[in-house]
Amino acid sequence: DAMVIQNPRYQVTQFGKPVTLSCSQTLNHNVMYWYQQKSSQAPKLLFHYYDKDFNNEADTPDNFQSRRPNTSFCFLDIRSPGLGDAAMYLCATSRGKRGVVDTDTQYFGPGTRLTVL
Amino acid sequence: GESVGLHLPTLSVQEGDNSIINCAYSNSASDYFIWYKQESGKGPQFIIDIRSNMDKRQGQRVTVLLNKTVKHLSLQIAATQPGDSAVYFCAENSEPYSSASKIIFGSGTRLSIRP
Repeated sequence: DAMVIQNPRYQVTQFGKPVTLSCSQTLNHNVMYWYQQKSSQAPKLLFHYYDKDFNNEADTPDNFQSRRPNTSFCFLDIRSPGLGDAAMYLCATSRGKRGVVDTDTQYFGPGTRLTVL
Repeated sequence: GESVGLHLPTLSVQEGDNSIINCAYSNSASDYFIWYKQESGKGPQFIIDIRSNMDKRQGQRVTVLLNKTVKHLSLQIAATQPGDSAVYFCAENSEPYSSASKIIFGSGTRLSIRP
């Protein structure tokens, strides 16, 4: 089945130790998104890629970076995790609206729960 | 700025009854709305969507109503089941003219089912 896959599902890191979260998709979607979701809150968009074009949200801290080496994979790098970065990190994909598509539904992966010690 | 908000943070419903979850939005230019269901420890799951040129859309046991006059969205779940227990988010595409959707999520409503 086509899907959005996130690895690992649970990640523990130490304060200040770089960590990378992974997302892959078999939907062949053009757009990949990263969200941060803290407990009992709505997901908050960090950034997205349309193909290779990177789009950062204005309030995303510099500590968060992303890479998309190809259509299927996208990575979230947290350079120096702080205690406040403990959260669920969600990857999502969408087709994108270039062309005749006029709605653009986002489909989410299961998330990676990050713990910072 | 634009925002999507929910009227009630929690909703308790008797099993078998219908559930209605409400949502208000503030961006009158929004063209597309989505309801997501999020179970504990999982990612949001797409339930149903509606475009701004519609006022009602039905799926399997779910109906979404859109009232653009008062900028209000609702999700109706028929014959609520224990498996419907989750947090429900309404979401709004805040950039209708962008090449990729940019979703703003509401704060979420937790639906619990009484046996």
